[in-house]
Amino acid sequence: DSGVTQTPKHLITATGQRVTLRCSPRSGDLSVYWYQQSLDQGLQFLIQYYNGEERAKGNILERFSAQQFPDLHSELNLSSLELGDSALYFCASSVGVAGDGELFFGEGSRLTVL
Amino acid sequence: GESVGLHLPTLSVQEGDNSIINCAYSNSASDYFIWYKQESGKGPQFIIDIRSNMDKRQGQRVTVLLNKTVKHLSLQIAATQPGDSAVYFCAETGRTSGYSTLTFGKGTMLLVSP
Repeated sequence: DSGVTQTPKHLITATGQRVTLRCSPRSGDLSVYWYQQSLDQGLQFLIQYYNGEERAKGNILERFSAQQFPDLHSELNLSSLELGDSALYFCASSVGVAGDGELFFGEGSRLTVL
Repeated sequence: GESVGLHLPTLSVQEGDNSIINCAYSNSASDYFIWYKQESGKGPQFIIDIRSNMDKRQGQRVTVLLNKTVKHLSLQIAATQPGDSAVYFCAETGRTSGYSTLTFGKGTMLLVSP
């Protein structure tokens, strides 16, 4: 158990809909990262928050947004969903930034868009 | 469990053999490298890391080798066990991203036969 909790574990929805994925980082970790894993693209970095502030942005679509709350949990919002958004979405956390040590990953939220 | 990739390079070994998984990284400015293991249905798990001021680092049954000249990283697993079966990813980061992001390679699937 990494200590990172993600909900829901599985989500099935339709094109055009909006979903919210939730992540609780390990106790004490200030950074939260979101990654998307698909069969053809591998693990793609989406966005990072550090202590409530956006720290870095990767290949995140404009239809996607995220935030980190004062209690350090984070949410990833995916809107106007398309079939191609079907993927595993991982949240990871670390004490500081990625270069300070390991990232701890949750078990992922599997999104299926029909 | 769920597959994380259907078209990954695959290394098949016998239990007890030594395994070597290779990775070519892309950014010559990267100076921190990590190997992750992802078992079916789970999130990536940290195995070992290495900074660019080193060319070798050893852990328990694992060794990482770094060749900065050709931008190549390898993971050696000694006395491979069936429990080592998983997808292995290398990841890189560096000062240019403020160590904020990890860029993951495509992954290699390791299959260990008893």
